[in-house]
Amino acid sequence: GNSVTQMEGPVTLSEEAFLTINCTYTATGYPSLFWYVQYPGEGLQLLLKATKADDKGSNKGFEATYRKETTSFHLEKGSVQVSDSAVYFCGGSQGNLIFGKGTKLSVKP
Amino acid sequence: DVKVTQSSRYLVKRTGEKVFLECVQDMDHENMFWYRQDPGLGLRLIYFSYDVKMKEKGDIPEGYSVSREKKERFSLILESASTNQTSMYLCASRFSGRRGNEQFFGPGTRLTVL
Repeated sequence: GNSVTQMEGPVTLSEEAFLTINCTYTATGYPSLFWYVQYPGEGLQLLLKATKADDKGSNKGFEATYRKETTSFHLEKGSVQVSDSAVYFCGGSQGNLIFGKGTKLSVKP
Repeated sequence: DVKVTQSSRYLVKRTGEKVFLECVQDMDHENMFWYRQDPGLGLRLIYFSYDVKMKEKGDIPEGYSVSREKKERFSLILESASTNQTSMYLCASRFSGRRGNEQFFGPGTRLTVL
């Protein structure tokens, strides 16, 4: 069946460091791909998405490119801030949304 | 702004009690979902509903039931709460149709079963 695999955390970075969180998917077709973020004590909110191959989603300095050849949707940010500390979920949808297990990011000043 | 609200942020119940978790969305979304979130397991789909009075089992429906009598409201019911149902419960909704439609989440209900 379909599945989404993302790198396990926790990830701890210093402020202004470069961030990559890997995400790969397994599906029979080409799902829409999403990154959601969950700040402490809150529900999930959409960070960015891509609906077809080579699409790039971007928001708040975060980017991810839908790579069909590697079935990946890695999340990147050039310079993280303390306020980016959260749990990040990768998801794929060809109907219902399937999530990875989440990656907790902590950014230290 | 789309708003998904859940009836409680924190709830403490005793084993064997019947528990109702309520979710309301205000954007006329057809689809609604209930997930539970546990450390190391991510989000797992319990039940979903494509429209009023429709319901489908997700990946882990055992011990739960749902009700969707009105479009804006989707209730999750624990018929007889057990300690292994202690978890964070998240409700979500979205428009139907295009597979790229995002889901909008409520703030979550942290349920503790003693």
